[in-house]
Amino acid sequence: EPEVTQTPSHQVTQMGQEVILRCVPISNHLYFYWYRQILGQKVEFLVSFYNNEISEKSEIFDDQFSVERPDGSNFTLKIRSTKLEDSAMYFCASRASGAGLNTEAFFGQGTRLTVV
Amino acid sequence: AQSVAQPEDQVNVAEGNPLTVKCTYSVSGNPYLFWYVQYPNRGLQFLLKYITGDNLVKGSYGFEAEFNKSQTSFHLKKPSALVSDSALYFCAVRVPWAGSYQLTFGKGTKLSVIP
Repeated sequence: EPEVTQTPSHQVTQMGQEVILRCVPISNHLYFYWYRQILGQKVEFLVSFYNNEISEKSEIFDDQFSVERPDGSNFTLKIRSTKLEDSAMYFCASRASGAGLNTEAFFGQGTRLTVV
Repeated sequence: AQSVAQPEDQVNVAEGNPLTVKCTYSVSGNPYLFWYVQYPNRGLQFLLKYITGDNLVKGSYGFEAEFNKSQTSFHLKKPSALVSDSALYFCAVRVPWAGSYQLTFGKGTKLSVIP
């Protein structure tokens, strides 16, 4: 069964450093997403990406965040200057074009980011 | 803005007994509703969804959920729990009319099935 894969599974970084989280979505999917879950809190939407541009973003997704699909297979989330409060589990998801909004998103296993 | 509530942080059930994981939502209009499950060290796995039509939807691993518009609920159910069902369960809502693709999740309910 095809799946979304994320690397690394755990990333530890020093405050102020840049970090790139990587995702390989399911190959025929066209919509890509990043979500995060701070420990003990809800899974929160960060950004959606379609046709090589951001289609929607939340207030969490400020100028410190960026996304990119550099080579047609990977989908990355970059945090330019990490803060302690960026520590969370980051989930990548992808979705087929299918019947508009009816199709469900498939999630990766997550990258646990720890900022120290 | 839409919101999802999962009133129970943890649900314990004996193996073989029926299980229910509760979810209520608050949204304007007709939502799309989803259940996802997260096993340890795994991503969120899709279980089932309600888009329209029959209020009772069936999903993976024998799970089902009932959409109740008057109570704004979408409780997850299974007639006979297995130990392997022990995991973290998330309810989520999407509001299609807003042209938005984002899911709003509940906080999650930890299900423990006791042998």
